[in-house]
Amino acid sequence: GAGVSQSPSNKVTEKGKDVELRCDPISGHTALYWYRQSLGQGLEFLIYFQGNSAPDKSGLPSDRFSAERTGGSVSTLTIQRTQQEDSAVYLCASSPPRKGGGLETQYFGPGTRLLVL
Amino acid sequence: AQSVAQPEDQVNVAEGNPLTVKCTYSVSGNPYLFWYVQYPNRGLQFLLKYITGDNLVKGSYGFEAEFNKSQTSFHLKKPSALVSDSALYFCAVWKTGGSYIPTFGRGTSLIVHP
Repeated sequence: GAGVSQSPSNKVTEKGKDVELRCDPISGHTALYWYRQSLGQGLEFLIYFQGNSAPDKSGLPSDRFSAERTGGSVSTLTIQRTQQEDSAVYLCASSPPRKGGGLETQYFGPGTRLLVL
Repeated sequence: AQSVAQPEDQVNVAEGNPLTVKCTYSVSGNPYLFWYVQYPNRGLQFLLKYITGDNLVKGSYGFEAEFNKSQTSFHLKKPSALVSDSALYFCAVWKTGGSYIPTFGRGTSLIVHP
């Protein structure tokens, strides 16, 4: 079946411009996560959506970053007034509904490689 | 609180030799532990996880990991490495009952030499 998809796969933008990154999770998955992966820095958590609950935005690095998830499916991560330090790979992951209250396995998309010039 | 450490940025091993990628964790309470692998220009793929039960967990592609509570470790192992195992490996920890956000390590680059 289809996995998590992300678009675009690559994005080059100029400093100060806004960008939108899209994530299509696996159908039926209720949880959706955004991470940022910078060279040598591992995965940095950004935001977490679970069903219709309010998202956990505790990882967003600044108010230039925002995300929404429409209809409990597709999610868009928006970065306003991009800075060079925003250059990174942005990964999206989704998880199936929880069974027994534990953390489910995450299924990752291929990522969007963002370069801010 | 939860944290995870992967003390080696890079591990080099010859093809056919056993490999170990180290992971240690810190949580107050019972952990869930995960290993993921990332091939170049790809997202992370799930390898295996520990929740409870047997300390030795077997996963995809012949990998296994051993949960050691006294040493707070969850090292990834494989008896015989393949060149195709060369990739970036991430360990992740989640504290049972905590917020549903796992903490990932910085990753370990595994290089298997022919």
